[in-house]
Amino acid sequence: AQTVTQSQPEMSVQEAETVTLSCTYDTSESDYYLFWYKQPPSRQMILVIRQEAYKQQNATENRFSVNFQKAAKSFSLKISDSQLGDAAMYFCAMTEGNQFYFGTGTSLTVIP
Amino acid sequence: KAGVTQTPRYLIKTRGQQVTLSCSPISGHRSVSWYQQTPGQGLQFLFEYFSETQRNKGNFPGRFSGRQFSNSRSEMNVSTLELGDSALYLCASSLGSIREQFFGPGTRLTVL
Repeated sequence: AQTVTQSQPEMSVQEAETVTLSCTYDTSESDYYLFWYKQPPSRQMILVIRQEAYKQQNATENRFSVNFQKAAKSFSLKISDSQLGDAAMYFCAMTEGNQFYFGTGTSLTVIP
Repeated sequence: KAGVTQTPRYLIKTRGQQVTLSCSPISGHRSVSWYQQTPGQGLQFLFEYFSETQRNKGNFPGRFSGRQFSNSRSEMNVSTLELGDSALYLCASSLGSIREQFFGPGTRLTVL
């Protein structure tokens, strides 16, 4: 069974500091995609960053970057220079074919 | 281009009733997926429709059904509502692959 695990239910970070959110996954497939989604209190889910499993290079999107360790099935999200607007629930997700699997989420608090 | 819209945004029903939720995808998008989000179970995939056909289905009972119209708008129906059906129901659309999906704001269903 495909699973996505986020072991940190809550995290906090000082404004302007860096924080890393952890995610591990399990799959027997070689072709899959990994995602980090952000869900602010307004509830609109927003894609933060995406990683194709066949690409070795870690994806980067402005202040957001991932550390993709394929052999370890690990996919962590690093947020640099944290801003108050980064406060949200962050979901790690994986897709195989046309099925989507989400982790349970990490609630990130940004402390001014 | 307008985003994914969902109606209604909030809904209150009683046990045993049925409910229909609507999702209008981004213009040009042909794939619509539905997800249930609860505090206990997190985000779970319900089903995906592509060009009026159900392409994928999650592990939910038959009380949960959906359909897609020729204009790609989708409806989700839940019959014989149970207390445990109280959740935020999210819809997401994409051109074809769910790897490129965009989420709507959700419909908050409360079952009393």
